[in-house]
Amino acid sequence: GQSLEQPSEVTAVEGAIVQINCTYQTSGFYGLSWYQQHDGGAPTFLSYNALDGLEETGRFSSFLSRSDSYGYLLLQELQMKDSASYFCAVSVAGNTPLVFGKGTRLSVIA
Amino acid sequence: NAGVTQTPKFQVLKTGQSMTLQCAQDMNHEYMSWYRQDPGMGLRLIHYSVGAGITDQGEVPNGYNVSRSTTEDFPLRLLSAAPSQTSVYFCASSYSNEQYFGPGTRLTVT
Repeated sequence: GQSLEQPSEVTAVEGAIVQINCTYQTSGFYGLSWYQQHDGGAPTFLSYNALDGLEETGRFSSFLSRSDSYGYLLLQELQMKDSASYFCAVSVAGNTPLVFGKGTRLSVIA
Repeated sequence: NAGVTQTPKFQVLKTGQSMTLQCAQDMNHEYMSWYRQDPGMGLRLIHYSVGAGITDQGEVPNGYNVSRSTTEDFPLRLLSAAPSQTSVYFCASSYSNEQYFGPGTRLTVT
């Protein structure tokens, strides 16, 4: 089977840095994606890593280690609007569905 | 571009009724999929399609049918609604690594 593990909840202070980890066990691996979902909204794409290393997009960065089956999403300079759920997802093969983790609910507090 | 659109936004059904959730995209994406989202369960794949005329089952296909007669449309049919199908349903489309989600349909089965 396929499984992705990520913490269910994380709380961080406005202006701080938070890291959301994701470990995966899947039958194949093409890449790791991250999605953000605000309450009542649809998931929106944040990043995709196919190779080991860090990808940076503004305040958000995503890291992948294929040998460790591990990745993380790093959010810097946290803002209240970053309060949302964050999902990691694995592409197990080309042109096949994503397998999603159960999501991490991030609460940013003042 | 409208992106991915879903109708209706909200629906209440009685047990045993059938209905079709509509999904359309105007980005000419070959890949489309349906997910359901329940509290604490993340996004679970129901059915997906890699192109017109081609569909396949996901993780939780029972009780649902799909068809893909055109690139643009990917309707999801509930054959005989059950309370266990109370959920939020998301349709998504993609060209490569990024999935675009529709706004969702919130379905309640009584």
